[in-house]
Amino acid sequence: NAGVTQTPKFRILKIGQSMTLQCTQDMNHNYMYWYRQDPGMGLKLIYYSVGAGITDKGEVPNGYNVSRSTTEDFPLRLELAAPSQTSVYFCASRNYEQYFGPGTRLTVT
Amino acid sequence: GQQLNQSPQSMFIQEGEDVSMNCTSSSIFNTWLWYKQDPGEGPVLLIALYKAGELTSNGRLTAQFGITRKDSFLNISASIPSDVGIYFCAGQQGAQKLVFGQGTRLTINP
Repeated sequence: NAGVTQTPKFRILKIGQSMTLQCTQDMNHNYMYWYRQDPGMGLKLIYYSVGAGITDKGEVPNGYNVSRSTTEDFPLRLELAAPSQTSVYFCASRNYEQYFGPGTRLTVT
Repeated sequence: GQQLNQSPQSMFIQEGEDVSMNCTSSSIFNTWLWYKQDPGEGPVLLIALYKAGELTSNGRLTAQFGITRKDSFLNISASIPSDVGIYFCAGQQGAQKLVFGQGTRLTINP
């Protein structure tokens, strides 16, 4: 199993641009999550999904959108990038224990 | 929202020393998890605890699920340089999402 994979690993965006962060898991997990981690800080939950077709907001959802059309994929969309969205983004999945992807480092300038 | 209080926030120790960190909450959790994050990487699961009072080891790591279900601790024995990183606790209630602590940053002097 590859576990949780994320692409891209790094990205630089200009203010106002949009992009999609990809997340795929091959463990047949029902639950998937998107977190952001600012420098020196803990993890903040952006959105989560309890299964295909079901998504819900986390702690910091503003400026982001998600979809869950399949069990495996949980993309995170930034529509109008802002400097405040500069962060490292982690995707995670679980049935019991939660496993994290390697992260996407995003800079918005 | 729910909060986990993780302490200490940072630790500076000598190689070979034992380490202890803990998490407390005002809420009851059914599961406690401990993660380690290396620089530039995602958190990696170290230990999962499922029962109040449970004591589980993973090599030099030992973690316990507090009997009140509101706390957990992680011990690392005989620390080595590769133990450096940030350690996070996380609590879970049933099918709900995880609640994370703020992290403990461990630095080891050789």
